[in-house]
Amino acid sequence: DTGVSQDPRHKITKRGQNVTFRCDPISEHNRLYWYRQTLGQGPEFLTYFQNEAQLEKSRLLSDRFSAERPKGSFSTLEIQRTEQGDSAMYLCASSFLLAGAAGELFFGEGSRLTVL
Amino acid sequence: AQSVTQLGSHVSVSEGALVLLRCNYSSSVPPYLFWYVQYPNQGLQLLLKYTSAATLVKGINGFEAEFKKSETSFHLTKPSAHMSDAAEYFCAVSGTSYDKVIFGPGTSLSVIP
Repeated sequence: DTGVSQDPRHKITKRGQNVTFRCDPISEHNRLYWYRQTLGQGPEFLTYFQNEAQLEKSRLLSDRFSAERPKGSFSTLEIQRTEQGDSAMYLCASSFLLAGAAGELFFGEGSRLTVL
Repeated sequence: AQSVTQLGSHVSVSEGALVLLRCNYSSSVPPYLFWYVQYPNQGLQLLLKYTSAATLVKGINGFEAEFKKSETSFHLTKPSAHMSDAAEYFCAVSGTSYDKVIFGPGTSLSVIP
């Protein structure tokens, strides 16, 4: 078990470009989350999946953001037409959901985005 | 909807002193509550979680937290701080086991030798 892995770890892009991040969760986990974290702040919820179904997307999230989990395994987060305000650490977490049990989130090390 | 507030964005304690990090939550249903820690240049990891089995929850590294429904609080404590406890601490809440997990803004703990 290699844990949650994210790729790339660092991405520098110019404003207006599209970027895509990938997350590979722990293999048996059925829940997958995306969060965004800026310096000195807590993780901000973006979206989450149960298997391949996207359960919720944050209302604060621009339409430029889209996420998929096509086969219920890995997930991608795409940001179109990036803006400087998108600069942040993008965190992926996975968990195994059991009825009536609060599953622990296992986090990846994050993908840091810098928009110039 | 669930939400979390953490009083004190920065807390400093002397080595060996009591650590107290505050967390208050808002939830329309009985919550699941968590404390996560983020050490410098590392990912978040779970310290402890409350799932209604017991109000006093013990976690890793000597930390514990007490769920107080009347105060809507879930404060994190450790009797004696160690230098290695210096990190960011995040309180989080989930309304049900099926709900998303919402994090608070975090508290940065510094331990003074």
